[in-house]
Amino acid sequence: AQKITQTQPGMFVQEKEAVTLDCTYDTSDQSYGLFWYKQPSSGEMIFLIYQGSYDEQNATEGRYSLNFQKARKSANLVISASQLGDSAMYFCAMREFNSGGSNYKLTFGKGTLLTVNP
Amino acid sequence: DSGVTQTPKHLITATGQRVTLRCSPRSGDLSVYWYQQSLDQGLQFLIQYYNGEERAKGNILERFSAQQFPDLHSELNLSSLELGDSALYFCASSVESADYGYTFGSGTRLTVV
Repeated sequence: AQKITQTQPGMFVQEKEAVTLDCTYDTSDQSYGLFWYKQPSSGEMIFLIYQGSYDEQNATEGRYSLNFQKARKSANLVISASQLGDSAMYFCAMREFNSGGSNYKLTFGKGTLLTVNP
Repeated sequence: DSGVTQTPKHLITATGQRVTLRCSPRSGDLSVYWYQQSLDQGLQFLIQYYNGEERAKGNILERFSAQQFPDLHSELNLSSLELGDSALYFCASSVESADYGYTFGSGTRLTVV
């Protein structure tokens, strides 16, 4: 069974500083995908960044980067230059593929609540 | 606006009742996924449909059922509701490759009283 572990229930960071949110995963599959989502207090789920298991370079999207260490099975999210609007819950998720090849479910971690202090 | 539309946004109902949650996927997406988010269970995958067919089942109770219609919208039916069914229910959609992620709707917050 797939499993995602986020060990930090809550994190605090000063505005304009960088912060790393940890995520480790467990899978025996060779092909998988890793995602990060942001959930602000309003409740919607916002896609941030994606890393494929065969991607050799770490994914980046603006101020978000994913520190992918395949051997350690970790996929940490790095947010640079934190902003007050970054305060939210952050979820790491992994996609597994079904035998038919069509898209399949995401398995989510428990999340990390990030608070950005002014 | 993510392109995935969920209605209603809020729903308050009594125990024992039945409700239907509706989801319209993003244009071009054939897959629809339903998730339940509660404080104690986190985000739990319920069920996936692909082009009208059920593709995968997760932790979906027998009291819950879903379907995807020819126009690709989906409905999640929750019956014999219990207090513990109170949660945020998300629908998400994706294209097959999904390297762009899964697009989530804004959710339906169900409160069972």
